[in-house]
Amino acid sequence: DTEVTQTPKHLVMGMTNKKSLKCEQHMGHRAMYWYKQKAKKPPELMFVYSYEKLSINESVPSRFSPECPNSSLLNLHLHALQPEDSALYLCASSPRELAGRYNEQFFGPGTRLTVL
Amino acid sequence: GDSVTQMEGPVTLSEEAFLTINCTYTATGYPSLFWYVQYPGEGLQLLLKATKADDKGSNKGFEATYRKETTSFHLEKGSVQVSDSAVYFCALPQFADKLIFGTGTRLQVFP
Repeated sequence: DTEVTQTPKHLVMGMTNKKSLKCEQHMGHRAMYWYKQKAKKPPELMFVYSYEKLSINESVPSRFSPECPNSSLLNLHLHALQPEDSALYLCASSPRELAGRYNEQFFGPGTRLTVL
Repeated sequence: GDSVTQMEGPVTLSEEAFLTINCTYTATGYPSLFWYVQYPGEGLQLLLKATKADDKGSNKGFEATYRKETTSFHLEKGSVQVSDSAVYFCALPQFADKLIFGTGTRLQVFP
C-alpha cells in the first residue's frame, strides 16, 4: 500500500458541531502532517507528528485538535469552527529515512471542509 | 532565511507546446528540491525530485535540473497535453520536517 487515505472526502458542518477528519497510511512512515489549503494558495502547515508525538504546532487555534492514536493513523478533531476555516485539509506522511533536508512528503487527496 | 520563488501564472499553452515553469531558491546547505503537482479537486502528488547539485529529476515527460550556480530548479516538458492542466508547486525541505512551497503556477493547456 503506497498511498495516504483521508476520510471523509467532503464535510459540511455548522459552527456548533464537533467532527473529525481521519488520515491513514500503511507505508511505515514515521512522520505525519496536517495542512490547510485555501483556494489558489500553497498548503499551510498546521501540525507535525514525529514518531507519534506532536513535534510542531504552527500556532493553530485550539478549535483544531490533532491526535495520533498509532503510527498509521492521524485524526483532526474540529469544534466550534468559523466560516473562514472552510478549506481543503490535507494529510501527508514522510519516511524520515534520511537525516537532514531530503525527505519528501506524500499527500492524501484531502477533505473539502465547508463551515456554515 | 530559506525561500522559494516561483513564476506567476496562469501559464496558458496549446497542446504540444513547450513548457517552462521557473523556480529559484535561497537555502543554506544543500537540500533536496521537489516539484509537486495538484490536479483539480485532488491532493498534491510528488512529480519529481533532485537530491544534489546537477541532479536531473524526471517523470511523465517532465524534467528539472538542480542548478547550484543559478540556484534554480526550473520545470520543463517538451510537449504538453490537456491532461497536464494543473497547479505546479516547487518545494524546498527544511529541517524539522517542514516544506517551503512556492506560490504555485497554474497551467492551462488547450487543444
